[in-house]
Amino acid sequence: AQKVTQAQTEISVVEKEDVTLDCVYETRDTTYYLFWYKQPPSGELVFLIRRNSFDEQNEISGRYSWNFQKSTSSFNFTITASQVVDSAVYFCALNAGNMLTFGGGTRLMVKP
Amino acid sequence: DTAVSQTPKYLVTQMGNDKSIKCEQNLGHDTMYWYKQDSKKFLKIMFSYNNKELIINETVPNRFSPKSPDKAHLNLHINSLELGDSAVYFCASSQGGSVYNEQFFGPGTRLTVL
Repeated sequence: AQKVTQAQTEISVVEKEDVTLDCVYETRDTTYYLFWYKQPPSGELVFLIRRNSFDEQNEISGRYSWNFQKSTSSFNFTITASQVVDSAVYFCALNAGNMLTFGGGTRLMVKP
Repeated sequence: DTAVSQTPKYLVTQMGNDKSIKCEQNLGHDTMYWYKQDSKKFLKIMFSYNNKELIINETVPNRFSPKSPDKAHLNLHINSLELGDSAVYFCASSQGGSVYNEQFFGPGTRLTVL
């Protein structure tokens, strides 16, 4: 069985602060993919990144960066210099055995 | 062009009624999904269809019946609606059901059962 845990249910920061969203996963599969999705207040789910289980390189995309550590089964997401538009619920997800399992989400509130 | 569309966006109905939510994707994908997001934002897969065949059915009550008339459509019919069915339902699609493939989500349908 797969499980994804996002221990932080809610985070509040002031604009321009850096923030890290934690994600820990469990799976017995050796091949799997990890994803992050963003759900802004408008409600749609927006794909942010995909990472496979064999690629532990960190990734940076603009103000976003992801740190994948297989040894600790973690796939953390950092937003640098946060902006009000980053306010959303962020979901980490694991795709193993043909099924996408989501974490409970972290609600990020960025205040001006 | 909308990649994955759902209708209606909002659905308000009485307990005991039967309702349907429609989903269409124009991405040429062969796998489609239904997810339920409850009031606490928890997202859980309900069904997955690949080439019109059911491949995942996650212990959903049999009041829920998905129907896939073709690869581009996956509709969700719900009989005898209950208060607990109130949620946002998301349709998604991907090319193949493998672990690699990114799923593209529709805008969601907010179902409210009174």
